[in-house]
Amino acid sequence: DVKVTQSSRYLVKRTGEKVFLECVQDMDHENMFWYRQDPGLGLRLIYFSYDVKMKEKGDIPEGYSVSREKKERFSLILESASTNQTSMYLCASSPPPRANTQYFGPGTRLTVL
Amino acid sequence: QQQVKQSPQSLIVQKGGISIINCAYENTAFDYFPWYQQFPGKGPALLIAIRPDVSEKKEGRFTISFNKSAKQFSLHIMDSQPGDSATYFCAAVGNAGNMLTFGGGTRLMVKP
Repeated sequence: DVKVTQSSRYLVKRTGEKVFLECVQDMDHENMFWYRQDPGLGLRLIYFSYDVKMKEKGDIPEGYSVSREKKERFSLILESASTNQTSMYLCASSPPPRANTQYFGPGTRLTVL
Repeated sequence: QQQVKQSPQSLIVQKGGISIINCAYENTAFDYFPWYQQFPGKGPALLIAIRPDVSEKKEGRFTISFNKSAKQFSLHIMDSQPGDSATYFCAAVGNAGNMLTFGGGTRLMVKP
């Protein structure tokens, strides 16, 4: 079974802090994704990566950056957390060539005070 | 601007009833339409999917109906059970194939 793990289930940070969210997948998938989930808005894509050191902006990249130094690991970085970044963050991975079937982690509930 | 619009936002159904969730899209480049199911505390998981060359796909109690001319598709859950209570997301993939666009989600509650 594909397993996608996220470093924290719950996280509380203060405004202005730098925040790292880590995601690891064990299926050697090329594609990895970061989403945020908000009620009524569904899942919105922040960034995705189709290979090591490659990244593409999604629909809402502002205020976020990503890092993919190893194939199995994809990190989301909030350079200076703000209260409007309080959300559920979901990581996913998928095999190439398409994003048809994505495997999601359990999510990180981030609260920025 | 949501490219995939989903309704209703929430739905309450009695056990044994039919749950129906609708989605509409604008982008004619979409060529794959999956539905994801998310239980509380879990990430979404693929439930069922359809391509636009067929009008219906059935897997057990779950059926997708697809209307290409209207650019609409829907999920029907027959004989709904309390264990089906979850949030459901429709989605679409374009022919570039590298991104899923999700609808806003429907929170389904099936009452015993």
